[in-house]
Amino acid sequence: SQKIEQNSEALNIQEGKTATLTCNYTNYSPAYLQWYRQDPGRGPVFLLLIRENEKEKRKERLKVTFDTTLKQSLFHITASQPADSATYLCALDDTGGFKTIFGAGTRLFVKA
Amino acid sequence: DAGVIQSPRHEVTEMGQEVTLRCKPISGHNSLFWYRQTMMRGLELLIYFNNNVPIDDSGMPEDRFSAKMPNASFSTLKIQPSEPRDSAVYFCASSLQGFGNTIYFGEGSWLTVV
Repeated sequence: SQKIEQNSEALNIQEGKTATLTCNYTNYSPAYLQWYRQDPGRGPVFLLLIRENEKEKRKERLKVTFDTTLKQSLFHITASQPADSATYLCALDDTGGFKTIFGAGTRLFVKA
Repeated sequence: DAGVIQSPRHEVTEMGQEVTLRCKPISGHNSLFWYRQTMMRGLELLIYFNNNVPIDDSGMPEDRFSAKMPNASFSTLKIQPSEPRDSAVYFCASSLQGFGNTIYFGEGSWLTVV
Protein backbone atom coordinates (compact mmCIF):
# COMPACT_ATOMS: atom_id res chain seq x y z
CA SER A 1 0.00 0.00 0.00
CA GLN A 2 1.03 3.61 -0.44
CA LYS A 3 2.35 5.32 2.66
CA ILE A 4 3.99 8.55 3.69
CA GLU A 5 5.62 8.23 7.09
CA GLN A 6 6.79 10.97 9.36
CA ASN A 7 7.91 10.51 12.92
CA SER A 8 4.77 10.69 15.00
CA GLU A 9 6.72 11.45 18.14
CA ALA A 10 7.42 15.08 18.85
CA LEU A 11 10.97 16.32 18.41
CA ASN A 12 12.32 18.40 21.28
CA ILE A 13 15.55 20.33 20.74
CA GLN A 14 17.46 23.17 22.32
CA GLU A 15 17.54 26.61 20.74
CA GLY A 16 20.51 27.02 18.42
CA LYS A 17 20.72 23.34 17.50
CA THR A 18 19.83 21.83 14.13
CA ALA A 19 16.46 20.09 13.88
CA THR A 20 16.21 17.21 11.42
CA LEU A 21 12.86 15.79 10.40
CA THR A 22 12.36 12.69 8.27
CA CYS A 23 9.82 11.81 5.60
CA ASN A 24 9.76 8.29 4.15
CA TYR A 25 7.42 7.10 1.45
CA THR A 26 6.39 3.74 0.01
CA ASN A 27 4.93 2.86 -3.37
CA TYR A 28 5.03 6.38 -4.72
CA SER A 29 7.24 7.74 -7.48
CA PRO A 30 6.93 11.45 -6.87
CA ALA A 31 8.33 14.00 -9.26
CA TYR A 32 8.61 16.45 -6.40
CA LEU A 33 8.25 16.68 -2.66
CA GLN A 34 7.10 19.65 -0.60
CA TRP A 35 7.41 20.68 3.03
CA TYR A 36 4.77 22.71 4.86
CA ARG A 37 4.57 24.27 8.29
CA GLN A 38 1.39 24.19 10.36
CA ASP A 39 0.82 26.23 13.50
CA PRO A 40 -1.95 25.30 15.97
CA GLY A 41 -5.35 26.40 14.71
CA ARG A 42 -4.02 27.41 11.30
CA GLY A 43 -3.80 25.90 7.85
CA PRO A 44 -0.52 24.50 6.50
CA VAL A 45 1.83 27.00 4.87
CA PHE A 46 4.25 26.08 2.07
CA LEU A 47 7.97 26.20 2.85
CA LEU A 48 10.02 24.41 0.22
CA LEU A 49 9.72 22.24 -2.86
CA ILE A 50 12.39 19.88 -4.16
CA ARG A 51 12.22 18.05 -7.48
CA GLU A 52 13.28 14.46 -8.11
CA ASN A 53 16.39 15.54 -10.01
CA GLU A 54 17.52 17.81 -7.17
CA LYS A 55 19.50 16.38 -4.27
CA GLU A 56 19.32 19.40 -2.02
CA LYS A 57 17.47 22.69 -1.71
CA ARG A 58 18.11 25.56 0.68
CA LYS A 59 16.17 28.57 1.82
CA GLU A 60 17.62 30.72 4.58
CA ARG A 61 17.95 28.40 7.63
CA LEU A 62 16.05 25.57 5.92
CA LYS A 63 17.56 22.71 3.96
CA VAL A 64 15.77 19.82 2.28
CA THR A 65 17.29 16.71 0.76
CA PHE A 66 15.56 14.21 -1.50
CA ASP A 67 16.86 10.68 -2.04
CA THR A 68 14.69 8.83 -4.54
CA THR A 69 16.67 5.63 -4.04
CA LEU A 70 16.05 5.58 -0.30
CA LYS A 71 12.59 7.08 -0.86
CA GLN A 72 13.31 9.62 1.80
CA SER A 73 13.44 13.37 2.36
CA LEU A 74 15.18 15.09 5.23
CA PHE A 75 14.20 18.56 6.41
CA HIS A 76 16.74 20.54 8.43
CA ILE A 77 16.34 23.76 10.39
CA THR A 78 19.69 25.18 11.41
CA ALA A 79 20.18 27.56 14.35
CA SER A 80 16.68 26.68 15.50
CA GLN A 81 14.60 29.22 17.41
CA PRO A 82 11.55 28.87 19.67
CA ALA A 83 9.53 30.49 16.85
CA ASP A 84 10.29 27.42 14.73
CA SER A 85 8.09 25.34 17.04
CA ALA A 86 5.27 23.97 14.86
CA THR A 87 4.16 20.85 13.03
CA TYR A 88 5.99 20.15 9.79
CA LEU A 89 4.31 18.14 7.05
CA CYS A 90 5.81 16.60 3.97
CA ALA A 91 3.75 16.22 0.84
CA LEU A 92 4.25 14.57 -2.51
CA ASP A 93 2.47 14.28 -5.79
CA ASP A 94 0.43 11.32 -6.84
CA THR A 95 -1.00 10.33 -10.21
CA GLY A 96 1.05 12.63 -12.35
CA GLY A 97 1.03 15.68 -10.15
CA PHE A 98 -2.64 16.48 -9.83
CA LYS A 99 -3.05 15.13 -6.32
CA THR A 100 -0.91 16.20 -3.41
CA ILE A 101 -0.82 13.74 -0.53
CA PHE A 102 0.39 14.74 2.93
CA GLY A 103 2.13 12.91 5.71
CA ALA A 104 0.73 13.19 9.22
CA GLY A 105 3.43 15.63 10.28
CA THR A 106 6.04 15.85 13.01
CA ARG A 107 5.65 18.25 15.92
CA LEU A 108 8.80 20.25 16.69
CA PHE A 109 9.42 22.00 20.00
CA VAL A 110 12.41 24.31 20.31
CA LYS A 111 13.29 25.21 23.90
CA ALA A 112 14.88 28.54 24.76
CA ASP B 1 -4.69 38.94 -1.97
CA ALA B 2 -7.09 37.71 0.71
CA GLY B 3 -6.02 34.10 0.43
CA VAL B 4 -8.38 31.14 0.57
CA ILE B 5 -11.47 32.06 2.56
CA GLN B 6 -13.49 29.45 4.39
CA SER B 7 -16.71 29.69 6.36
CA PRO B 8 -17.81 28.98 8.95
CA ARG B 9 -14.63 28.89 11.05
CA HIS B 10 -16.34 26.89 13.76
CA GLU B 11 -19.52 24.86 13.67
CA VAL B 12 -21.17 22.75 16.34
CA THR B 13 -24.13 20.73 15.15
CA GLU B 14 -26.25 17.85 16.28
CA MET B 15 -26.00 14.42 14.78
CA GLY B 16 -28.28 14.05 11.80
CA GLN B 17 -28.16 17.69 10.78
CA GLU B 18 -26.91 18.90 7.43
CA VAL B 19 -23.61 20.76 7.41
CA THR B 20 -22.44 23.00 4.58
CA LEU B 21 -18.88 24.30 4.47
CA ARG B 22 -17.97 27.05 2.05
CA CYS B 23 -14.80 28.07 0.28
CA LYS B 24 -13.62 30.93 -1.89
CA PRO B 25 -10.31 30.05 -3.58
CA ILE B 26 -7.60 32.50 -4.52
CA SER B 27 -8.54 34.40 -7.64
CA GLY B 28 -6.88 32.93 -10.71
CA HIS B 29 -6.29 29.51 -9.19
CA ASN B 30 -7.88 26.73 -11.21
CA SER B 31 -7.40 23.78 -8.83
CA LEU B 32 -9.35 23.44 -5.61
CA PHE B 33 -8.93 20.82 -2.91
CA TRP B 34 -10.91 19.76 0.14
CA TYR B 35 -8.88 18.10 2.91
CA ARG B 36 -9.94 16.75 6.30
CA GLN B 37 -7.56 16.68 9.27
CA THR B 38 -7.88 14.58 12.41
CA MET B 39 -5.38 13.48 15.01
CA MET B 40 -5.85 9.85 14.03
CA ARG B 41 -5.69 10.12 10.25
CA GLY B 42 -3.76 13.32 9.61
CA LEU B 43 -4.53 15.40 6.53
CA GLU B 44 -6.65 13.44 4.06
CA LEU B 45 -7.53 14.57 0.55
CA LEU B 46 -11.29 14.25 0.07
CA ILE B 47 -11.80 15.65 -3.41
CA TYR B 48 -10.20 17.98 -5.89
CA PHE B 49 -11.50 20.06 -8.75
CA ASN B 50 -9.75 21.35 -11.82
CA ASN B 51 -11.40 24.19 -13.74
CA ASN B 52 -14.55 23.64 -11.64
CA VAL B 53 -14.79 19.97 -12.63
CA PRO B 54 -14.43 17.24 -9.99
CA ILE B 55 -11.41 15.18 -11.04
CA ASP B 56 -11.02 12.71 -8.19
CA ASP B 57 -13.45 12.13 -5.34
CA SER B 58 -12.00 8.81 -4.24
CA GLY B 59 -11.20 10.30 -0.84
CA MET B 60 -14.79 11.15 -0.02
CA PRO B 61 -15.57 8.80 2.85
CA GLU B 62 -19.24 8.07 2.19
CA ASP B 63 -22.25 9.08 0.17
CA ARG B 64 -23.16 11.42 2.99
CA PHE B 65 -20.40 13.69 1.70
CA SER B 66 -20.80 15.75 -1.46
CA ALA B 67 -18.92 18.68 -2.97
CA LYS B 68 -19.74 21.16 -5.66
CA MET B 69 -17.95 23.93 -7.47
CA PRO B 70 -20.54 25.91 -9.42
CA ASN B 71 -18.03 28.54 -10.52
CA ALA B 72 -14.35 29.42 -10.26
CA SER B 73 -14.78 31.43 -7.08
CA PHE B 74 -16.93 29.19 -4.89
CA SER B 75 -17.10 25.63 -3.63
CA THR B 76 -19.12 23.81 -1.00
CA LEU B 77 -18.64 20.61 0.95
CA LYS B 78 -21.85 19.19 2.35
CA ILE B 79 -22.38 16.44 4.90
CA GLN B 80 -25.88 15.07 5.18
CA PRO B 81 -26.67 13.60 7.63
CA SER B 82 -23.75 14.44 9.89
CA GLU B 83 -22.35 11.96 12.43
CA PRO B 84 -20.05 12.44 15.44
CA ARG B 85 -17.18 10.72 13.59
CA ASP B 86 -17.28 13.54 11.04
CA SER B 87 -15.87 15.90 13.68
CA ALA B 88 -12.62 17.25 12.26
CA VAL B 89 -11.02 20.30 10.72
CA TYR B 90 -11.93 20.68 7.06
CA PHE B 91 -9.49 22.62 4.93
CA CYS B 92 -10.09 24.09 1.53
CA ALA B 93 -7.00 24.82 -0.57
CA SER B 94 -6.29 26.12 -4.04
CA SER B 95 -3.43 26.21 -6.50
CA LEU B 96 -2.52 26.86 -10.07
CA GLN B 97 -2.74 23.62 -12.01
CA GLY B 98 0.64 22.20 -12.71
CA PHE B 99 3.42 20.05 -11.48
CA GLY B 100 4.51 20.90 -8.01
CA ASN B 101 2.59 24.12 -7.70
CA THR B 102 2.23 25.41 -4.18
CA ILE B 103 -1.05 24.66 -2.45
CA TYR B 104 -2.52 27.54 -0.47
CA PHE B 105 -4.72 26.56 2.45
CA GLY B 106 -7.56 28.36 4.15
CA GLU B 107 -7.71 28.58 7.91
CA GLY B 108 -10.06 25.62 8.14
CA SER B 109 -13.60 24.95 9.32
CA TRP B 110 -13.65 23.30 12.73
CA LEU B 111 -16.63 20.95 12.82
CA THR B 112 -17.97 19.30 15.94
CA VAL B 113 -20.92 16.94 15.63
CA VAL B 114 -22.52 16.07 18.97
